[in-house]
Amino acid sequence: QQPVQSPQAVILREGEDAVINCSSSKALYSVHWYRQKHGEAPVFLMILLKGGEQKGHEKISASFNEKKQQSSLYLTASQLSYSGTYFCGTEYNTDKLIFGTGTRLQVFP
Amino acid sequence: GAGVSQSPSNKVTEKGKDVELRCDPISGHTALYWYRQRLGQGLEFLIYFQGNSAPDKSGLPSDRFSAERTGESVSTLTIQRTQQEDSAVYLCASSLGRGPPLDTQYFGPGTRLTVL
Repeated sequence: QQPVQSPQAVILREGEDAVINCSSSKALYSVHWYRQKHGEAPVFLMILLKGGEQKGHEKISASFNEKKQQSSLYLTASQLSYSGTYFCGTEYNTDKLIFGTGTRLQVFP
Repeated sequence: GAGVSQSPSNKVTEKGKDVELRCDPISGHTALYWYRQRLGQGLEFLIYFQGNSAPDKSGLPSDRFSAERTGESVSTLTIQRTQQEDSAVYLCASSLGRGPPLDTQYFGPGTRLTVL
């Protein structure tokens, strides 16, 4: 039931782009994306709803493919501040999120 | 107002001792969640409260783990007879509790538990 994230880790130079995927074997109601910087609490980025549109947050956007039960997070023109671990949280018509294994992103100058 | 607070921030205990971890959610948030995060790992769901009720305790690893919430506010996670594998950061999150879809969860800074 835990969603699978890929890749597990990404290393970027400033200004480069990255895509993080979150896949589920069960039908999703929504997908929530969080970022956790080292030693800090996770912080909400955005939510994607079933049947909803692609969401955006500054240069970070995401999409939700209902057919594939997959969400993708797009980071464009990455900045040093984007470094951290990205988690997707999946909602399956229950009252809780099941979080993925995480994708560690490192951005270097 | 203030965000989610947790105490203590760090706890070192000896194997076999009981520990209590506290979470103060954002005022007005009816939903409260506990997660466990082992070093370098993801967020493992433990238990969820709606108000003072816990509709979903499915994530509690064993009967050594219990949690309660009072006054639709403070929650306490208790671990009895701690084991070394209980060492982790315990995160608490709260939300407005509406949905579906689920509301944004706001996380506290966590309690780092080390069992010697």
